[in-house]
Amino acid sequence: ETGVTQTPRHLVMGMTNKKSLKCEQHLGHNAMYWYKQSAKKPLELMFVYNFKEQTENNSVPSRFSPECPNSSHLFLHLHTLQPEDSALYLCASSQDFGGTPTYEQYFGPGTRLTVT
Amino acid sequence: RKEVEQDPGPFNVPEGATVAFNCTYSNSASQSFFWYRQDCRKEPKLLMSVYSSGNEDGRFTAQLNRASQYISLLIRDSKLSDSATYLCVVGMNYGGSQGNLIFGKGTKLSVKP
Repeated sequence: ETGVTQTPRHLVMGMTNKKSLKCEQHLGHNAMYWYKQSAKKPLELMFVYNFKEQTENNSVPSRFSPECPNSSHLFLHLHTLQPEDSALYLCASSQDFGGTPTYEQYFGPGTRLTVT
Repeated sequence: RKEVEQDPGPFNVPEGATVAFNCTYSNSASQSFFWYRQDCRKEPKLLMSVYSSGNEDGRFTAQLNRASQYISLLIRDSKLSDSATYLCVVGMNYGGSQGNLIFGKGTKLSVKP
C-alpha cells in the first residue's frame, strides 16, 4: 500500500547534524500528523496540521521543526538532537469533516531514527 | 492515571483459541474508539472502529461500554497471522476541528501452532 509514504526509512545522525524527514499522503486527506514511538511507550502525538495550519504542538522541543507546504506533504526538520530522540517517527493522515467523530488515521511506514 | 490503559501481555495462545483484550480510558468526553493492529517494526493499521452497539468483523468482535469507560476486542479461532500488538485508541474532538487520537501502549498477542 502506498497511501502514506515516508523517507528515509532509516536515518542515523550525529547530535550536531541537521536532517529532514519527509511524508507524503496520496489519500486526498486534509489533516496530517507526526508521532513519535519509543520502546515500551505509547505513540506520542507531536504535531497536527489541519488544512496546512498547525493546530497542535504537544510541548515538543524546538529541535523538532515541522513544515507543511501543502495538504499532501509534511516535513519534520531535525537539528541538534539528543540520543533520547532515537525512535520511530510516524506520519499519519486523516480526513477532517469537522465536528464529531474523530476519524481514523492512516500511517506511513515510519522513519527509524538513531541519534549517535 | 494513564489516558488509555491496556494489559501489555504478552498473551500466548494456541491456534484456534479465543482471546479477549480489554482497555479502559480516563476521559469521559472521548467520542471515537478504535482498535489498531501493529506488526513488529511496522506501522499501526486500523483493525476496526468500535461502536456503542458493538460490532463484528469476521472473527473479530469489539464492544464499548461508555458507562464503565471500557473497550474490548474478542478474537475467535486465532490464526498464526493474528500475532501482533493490538492498540486501543480513543479519539476526542475539540470544537469544530479534527480531534486527536490517544493510543494505549498495546497488548501483544502471540499465536502458537
